[in-house]
Amino acid sequence: TQLLEQSPQFLSIQEGENLTVYCNSSSVFSSLQWYRQEPGEGPVLLVTVVTGGEVKKLKRLTFQFGDARKDSSLHITAAQPGDTGLYLCAGRSNYGGSQGNLIFGKGTKLSVKP
Amino acid sequence: DSGVTQTPKHLITATGQRVTLRCSPRSGDLSVYWYQQSLDQGLQFLIQYYNGEERAKGNILERFSAQQFPDLHSELNLSSLELGDSALYFCASSVILGTSYNEQFFGPGTRLTVL
Repeated sequence: TQLLEQSPQFLSIQEGENLTVYCNSSSVFSSLQWYRQEPGEGPVLLVTVVTGGEVKKLKRLTFQFGDARKDSSLHITAAQPGDTGLYLCAGRSNYGGSQGNLIFGKGTKLSVKP
Repeated sequence: DSGVTQTPKHLITATGQRVTLRCSPRSGDLSVYWYQQSLDQGLQFLIQYYNGEERAKGNILERFSAQQFPDLHSELNLSSLELGDSALYFCASSVILGTSYNEQFFGPGTRLTVL
C-alpha cells in the first residue's frame, strides 16, 4: 500500500516567519501534487512536480520533489495570515485497481497569526 | 471557483436514511472522483467514473454507490446511513484519464451530518 506521511500535523507561527512542511513515502511516485484547503472549502491545486530534484516556485512558496521521487517539501517564506489552511500532498498511485488515482496525505494544518 | 459544483452544501439526516449527493464537473472534464473527508481519516478516495463508466474503486462501502450520467454529472448515493458516515464529501474532476499528472479540481463539498 502506498502511503504519504505529512509532518508536522499542526504548525502555528507568527506572520513573517519561514516554515517548511514535509511529505514522505517509502514508495516512488511518478508525480506529486500540493493542495491547499481552507475551512469549509475544497482543496485547491497549488503545484505539480514530476521530475526528481525539481524545484518550483509560486510567489513565496517553494516546492521541491526529492531526487528519488519519494518525498517532497513545501517552504513558505515570510508567512502571511492568508497562508493559513490545510496543506495536502497527493501522489499518483502506481498500483492495483487505483492505478493513476491520487493518494493523499493527512495534511499539515498551518495557522499564521498576525 | 474551480468550476466544479456540488449540491447540497449541507445535509442533515437520521440514521438508516438514504441521501443523494450531486456533482457537476468542469466543462470538458470527463473524469469524476468522489472523496470522503473526516477528521481522523483525512481525504479518502471512494470511486472514479470516466465518461459514464466506473474506472476505479477505493475505500467505498457497499452501502454507497455512484453513477455518472450522459451529461457527465455524477451522483453519490449513500444508504442505511450510520453516525460514522458524517463527513465532508467532495467531488473532483479532471480532463483526461491517464494524463501523467491527474490534476484534479475539487468542488466545494457537501457536509453530511447523520444524527
